[in-house]
Amino acid sequence: EAGVAQSPRYKIIEKRQSVAFWCNPISGHATLYWYQQILGQGPKLLIQFQNNGVVDDSQLPKDRFSAERLKGVDSTLKIQPAKLEDSAVYLCASSRISPGPWDEQYFGPGTRLTVT
Amino acid sequence: GESVGLHLPTLSVQEGDNSIINCAYSNSASDYFIWYKQESGKGPQFIIDIRSNMDKRQGQRVTVLLNKTVKHLSLQIAATQPGDSAVYFCAELLLGYSTLTFGKGTMLLVSP
Repeated sequence: EAGVAQSPRYKIIEKRQSVAFWCNPISGHATLYWYQQILGQGPKLLIQFQNNGVVDDSQLPKDRFSAERLKGVDSTLKIQPAKLEDSAVYLCASSRISPGPWDEQYFGPGTRLTVT
Repeated sequence: GESVGLHLPTLSVQEGDNSIINCAYSNSASDYFIWYKQESGKGPQFIIDIRSNMDKRQGQRVTVLLNKTVKHLSLQIAATQPGDSAVYFCAELLLGYSTLTFGKGTMLLVSP
């Protein structure tokens, strides 16, 4: 089974520029998550999709971050304009609806963003 | 890939030793506690979980202990191997919300 795919793996931009990240979840996984992981910290959830609907975006800085999941499969996360503090690894994860008590999340390798 | 382990607490052990990684959690209402392993340049990988009504759970070479009185979680790795070198995170889960809240990580360095 192929894992969660993300691209690009690395991106360097200047502050105030725009950037977009792409995620392809594991086939059949209805739920997709975007996390931000600042160096030295644990991942922080930005947004969660169930199919193509948003379940939780309470921690997404909506003045500059946006995300979409058209057709309930791939997803893109965009930052416009970027700030220095956006430098982080952006992780995508997906999960399926499981019969167990909770749905295990499978993480992609992440995109490392450096804002200069 | 670049390590996510900079500025993290670090545990250095010798190959074959037992390792104990600790975590303090914040939400006493959490239903599950989960340990993840994150290798350099990769996303977190599930290791083991424990439900809040349990105090111990064992897996292959790993044991998780939960002390709800002091909101403390530990991961014990038996016979630690160089391949265990990574950053380890604990996470809390509240059923019905499906959102993970990650704690601070610990870098484990295993020398041969």
